[in-house]
Amino acid sequence: QVQLVESGGGVVQPGRSLRLSCEASGFTFSSYSLHWVRQAPGEGLEWAAVISYDGSDTYYADSVKGRFTISRDNSKNTLYLQMNSLRAEDTAVYYCARDPSRLAVAGHFDYWGQGTLVTVSS
Amino acid sequence: DIQMTQSPSSLSASVGDRVTITCRASQSISAYLNWYQQKPGKAPKLLIYDASSLQSGVPSRFSGSGSGTDFTLTITSLQPEDFATYYCQQSDSTPFTFGQGTKVEIK
Repeated sequence: QVQLVESGGGVVQPGRSLRLSCEASGFTFSSYSLHWVRQAPGEGLEWAAVISYDGSDTYYADSVKGRFTISRDNSKNTLYLQMNSLRAEDTAVYYCARDPSRLAVAGHFDYWGQGTLVTVSS
Repeated sequence: DIQMTQSPSSLSASVGDRVTITCRASQSISAYLNWYQQKPGKAPKLLIYDASSLQSGVPSRFSGSGSGTDFTLTITSLQPEDFATYYCQQSDSTPFTFGQGTKVEIK
């Protein structure tokens, strides 16, 4: 069965960096685009970034563009989110999510991880 | 960016009720509209994609309709496990945006 397991969250000071990972199993990782979606405590969902199946295309929300980098290692079935220059408003649960379209981006999310909490605080 | 507006923000309903949630896009998104259910402390779950397609494994009491800018999610005969927050999301163009959510509570 499809599984997505995030890790790397924690407490970090403003201005510092953190890298999240999402390890996937149960499907052909290299055939699917993947997304990061975040949710601030008590708030709604916010899409953050997407990477195409082969890593050749990436797109970001304006709120993270220039600070966050999405990447993937298809040999390790792992998705990453490098987060730099973190701000208090980046505090959220970060979910990785699979795009259901093979070799393309449909833009919705059929499988989600359990999420990892990032807290930006001094 | 495309803004998504859901209504109502919350509602109270009883088991067995028919519930309708609406979602409006700030510009036409064709049928690129998806619905998710989220329970406290859990990841969202895809219910409906492309406005009216039922995700595999989702009960048939959930249905979606609409196109262009106006969409609805309908739950016929609300069940105890359906009390949750529901989000719409557009997949027409990046940034992929969500509605603010509709919390369905027990009356």
